[in-house]
Amino acid sequence: EVQLVESGGGLIQPGGSLRLSCAVSGFTVSKNYMNWVRQAPGKGLEWVSLTYSDGITYYADSVKGRFTISRDNSNDAVYLQMSSLRGEDTAVYYCATGRRYFDYWGQGTLVTVSA
Amino acid sequence: EIVLTQSPGTLSLSPGERATLSCRASQSVMSGFLAWYQQKPGQAPRLLIYGASSRATGIPDRFSGSGSGTDFTLTISRLEPEDFAVYYCQQYGSSSTFGQGTKVEIK
Repeated sequence: EVQLVESGGGLIQPGGSLRLSCAVSGFTVSKNYMNWVRQAPGKGLEWVSLTYSDGITYYADSVKGRFTISRDNSNDAVYLQMSSLRGEDTAVYYCATGRRYFDYWGQGTLVTVSA
Repeated sequence: EIVLTQSPGTLSLSPGERATLSCRASQSVMSGFLAWYQQKPGQAPRLLIYGASSRATGIPDRFSGSGSGTDFTLTISRLEPEDFAVYYCQQYGSSSTFGQGTKVEIK
């Protein structure tokens, strides 16, 4: 059974940094495309970042230069390092598999950026 | 960036009725690269349809997708109680963007 479990969310002040983790089971991170997708409270979905199996990465314009996606193939985990956080980054962050559409999702972790 | 506009915002229907949800793109979606998701309160989205019309694994055949170019439709042939939720379309032909969602609520 495929499972994705996010962790690392919490309350952080504007300008701060936070690292989210996504632990996966039931498949191999090294052979899959992994994404982060976020959802602001009461709002719709926004794709944030993608890492290819060969390590190539992509970012939404809204987070480019501030967020970094990475993977640990030996531990089947994916990370999102977030810095220079802003109020508009407040959201539930989901880890999801897929190169283009997202077929498996975690339950999400809430990040709240507030003073 | 391709903007997706979903309509209506809210659809009030009874169990057993047919639901028709629309997703319109601001420019043509390459190769029908459009997906639909279902999201229930407090849950992650669930993939229903990809490639505009292909059902994801385990999705009942009462869900169907159609369309091309800029106009796409998700149809639920007969609503079951568990189908009342919010539905999102996503285009993945040019980067990735989502629509704002359509809520299907019990009338």
